[in-house]
Amino acid sequence: ILNVEQSPQSLHVQEGDSTNFTCSFPSSNFYALHWYRWETAKSPEALFVMTLNGDEKKKGRISATLNTKEGYSYLYIKGSQPEDSATYLCAFDVTSYDKVIFGPGTSLSVIP
Amino acid sequence: EADIYQTPRYLVIGTGKKITLECSQTMGHDKMYWYQQDPGMELHLIHYSYGVNSTEKGDLSSESTVSRIRTEHFPLTLESARPSHTSQYLCASSETGYEQYFGPGTRLTVT
Repeated sequence: ILNVEQSPQSLHVQEGDSTNFTCSFPSSNFYALHWYRWETAKSPEALFVMTLNGDEKKKGRISATLNTKEGYSYLYIKGSQPEDSATYLCAFDVTSYDKVIFGPGTSLSVIP
Repeated sequence: EADIYQTPRYLVIGTGKKITLECSQTMGHDKMYWYQQDPGMELHLIHYSYGVNSTEKGDLSSESTVSRIRTEHFPLTLESARPSHTSQYLCASSETGYEQYFGPGTRLTVT
């Protein structure tokens, strides 16, 4: 059974702090790794998709790295803002685009 | 902004009732998905479709059924709702499978 783990489960940070989360996934049969942001009462929104070992993606203050050999990805948020408060999901894609396996998410609360 | 819609957003219904959760997208995407999420748990894929007249079961066993008669429409049906079906159901679509666009979800409570 393929399993995707995320840590920590939840995180509370002060506005302006930088933070990071971890996503762990099986290192075999890797195809792609996705990060989504899910704000309360909204739909999950795609942040990044990464396919190559060593990939780094950036969108504003948010960036992500990928290590497919050891099976982990980090998501970084620089200078957290209250609007960053959300659940961050990673999803592991083992086949060609057809199905992804989601982790349980990391819930981030940014305190003003 | 993605154009994918789900109705109803919230549903409270009694045991034994038949229910249909609607999902529609206006992006012309061939691939569509249904996920189920219990509180505090992961999203689990329960159904997916590659296009019209194509439906497949996902990794999580579900008593629900789906149909794909039109590209834009991917409804999910429970013939006889039970309290164990209480959950959040999310619909998503994708052009390539690479990036999925999610609807707002339906929160189902079966009493």
